[in-house]
Amino acid sequence: GIQVEQSPPDLILQEGANSTLRCNFSDSVNNLQWFHQNPWGQLINLFYIPSGTKQNGRLSATTVATERYSLLYISSSQTTDSGVYFCAVRRITGGGNKLTFGTGTQLKVEL
Amino acid sequence: DTGVSQDPRHKITKRGQNVTFRCDPISEHNRLYWYRQTLGQGPEFLTYFQNEAQLEKSRLLSDRFSAERPKGSFSTLEIQRTEQGDSAMYLCASSPGQGALDYGYTFGSGTRLTVV
Repeated sequence: GIQVEQSPPDLILQEGANSTLRCNFSDSVNNLQWFHQNPWGQLINLFYIPSGTKQNGRLSATTVATERYSLLYISSSQTTDSGVYFCAVRRITGGGNKLTFGTGTQLKVEL
Repeated sequence: DTGVSQDPRHKITKRGQNVTFRCDPISEHNRLYWYRQTLGQGPEFLTYFQNEAQLEKSRLLSDRFSAERPKGSFSTLEIQRTEQGDSAMYLCASSPGQGALDYGYTFGSGTRLTVV
């Protein structure tokens, strides 16, 4: 199956700092999503971004499908940004209709 | 419509008992998915419905697991003869889709199962 690797696995930031999270995947995809899982377990959809660049407030994401990676940028981080960030992808061929998740980046934002 | 709803939020059961979870997707979404997540891991795919048809099942879905989506609306996931290894968060998601494309998953809050 498709491999999805996220880096870094853990990240600690001071409030107000910026960060970049990376997602590498091993095959061509037609769906890529970034999720934030809060401490209560809820998976919040941040971006649906199989290609291109999108921005939503302090968050932005870029996917370069031809090079099989995506980046999530968090600017001016806040304590409420803490949690686990997952990248999930769907293969174009052979992967059925399922999203395959990476192992996540655990982010902690401190005052 | 306020999103994907799952019920119950938490379930504690004794080993060997049967449990059933319910998922109500976003009403206009024709695709529904079940995932399982254990501590420290990303969610893992269990099964997928397009309308009422169950089109894909993971090898993780043993004979003790069964899922239905009657009439293409809500879905249920039943686990028979629960084992301690079934303890996990069970997540439901839905998406609009057509052919090879879907347009983003929305997940529910999950059902946390503890088997004692």
